[in-house]
Amino acid sequence: DTGVSQNPRHKITKRGQNVTFRCDPISEHNRLYWYRQTLGQGPEFLTYFQNEAQLEKSRLLSDRFSAERPKGSFSTLEIQRTEQGDSAMYLCASSLELGEKLFFGSGTQLSVL
Amino acid sequence: AQSVTQLDSQVPVFEEAPVELRCNYSSSVSVYLFWYVQYPNQGLQLLLKYLSGSTLVESINGFEAEFNKSQTSFHLRKPSVHISDTAEYFCAVSPYNNAGNMLTFGGGTRLMVKP
Repeated sequence: DTGVSQNPRHKITKRGQNVTFRCDPISEHNRLYWYRQTLGQGPEFLTYFQNEAQLEKSRLLSDRFSAERPKGSFSTLEIQRTEQGDSAMYLCASSLELGEKLFFGSGTQLSVL
Repeated sequence: AQSVTQLDSQVPVFEEAPVELRCNYSSSVSVYLFWYVQYPNQGLQLLLKYLSGSTLVESINGFEAEFNKSQTSFHLRKPSVHISDTAEYFCAVSPYNNAGNMLTFGGGTRLMVKP
């Protein structure tokens, strides 16, 4: 068990470009979550999956944000037409079952220039 | 909807001194309560949680937190801190109906333990 893995660790992009982040949860965990953390703030919930089903996505920040978990294993978070306000740390977490503790990855730091 | 307020953004304290990190929440429904810790260059880790039962919960490294429903608080305390406790601490809540999945976090408190 290597924990929750996120790639890349850092991403620098120009405004208007699309970016995609990957999250590999702990292998037997069927629940996967995305959070966003801006400087000086706590993490903000974005979306979560149970297996391949996206059960909550109303908290995604705009229609430029989308997430997938096609086979119920890894997940991707895509941001289209990035804006400077998208600069943040994007965190992924996983858990085994409802009510079990979340295991967080180290995050992907996005900088939009 | 829920909200969490951590009243202190930074708490400096000397080693072996006691510390209390304050957390207040607001919610129209019953909630579960959590403290997460983020050590430098590491991911968030669960420190302790309150789901039901005894209002005083403890972690394995000497921290404890007490749920006070009337004051809507869940303050974190440790009687004697170590240098290794230097980290950012986040209080979080989730409604009963999703049992910890959709967490609402406070802004965090940076605990700085000085020798």
